[in-house]
Amino acid sequence: SYEVTQPPSVSVSPGQTATITCSASASPQQYSYWYQQKAGQAPVLVIYKDTERPAGIPDRFSGSTSGTTATLTIKGVQAEDEADYYCQSADNDGTYVVFGGGTKLTVL
Amino acid sequence: EVQLVESGGGLVKPGGSLRLSCAASGFTFTSYSMGWVRQAPGKGLEWVAYISTRGSYIHYADSVKGRFTISRDNAKNSVYLQMDSLRGEDTAVYYCARDRGGVAFPCDFWGQGTLATVSS
Repeated sequence: SYEVTQPPSVSVSPGQTATITCSASASPQQYSYWYQQKAGQAPVLVIYKDTERPAGIPDRFSGSTSGTTATLTIKGVQAEDEADYYCQSADNDGTYVVFGGGTKLTVL
Repeated sequence: EVQLVESGGGLVKPGGSLRLSCAASGFTFTSYSMGWVRQAPGKGLEWVAYISTRGSYIHYADSVKGRFTISRDNAKNSVYLQMDSLRGEDTAVYYCARDRGGVAFPCDFWGQGTLATVSS
């Protein structure tokens, strides 16, 4: 099978930088995607193809990748960024499409 | 404006069936693959199923393979999820989502979800 692993929680103060990692169980893999889910709402795509930002997503959100680890970075965190964040990817041939377990971002 | 509206959720006994529907609007439905993602209460997201634009390619998560069937009606701009032999672990909010394009089925638009509860 194929899995991606995220830390369960990350806490930062307003204005600081939040970093959330997503580690894959195998290489190579497909692109990584990141979603933000606020309480009681549907997820919203914030990063696609490792580094790209959809229209309407603030530029404080960015993505990067190194080896089998994808990273979501939020610079200048605001209170409104408090949410669960999920990474998504697939193995090389798309047999396994997976989400990470989610990371709860708390803004202190 | 892209809209995805799910319906069909409810309470069903173990072993029973439910059929979820998703009505799409605000985009050219026939140009996009579609799928379903679920979220058990208090848990994370789980990809469930995917269907290509004409329905010629379908893919399921191992956890639902053989029990769930995804289909679409392009004339009605709708996608469906037939869920049979339901189990307690299938209890979840089921989201209909549009595929942005890519092997990992990235979802660029999501509905608000419909809750399916499997319990005796």
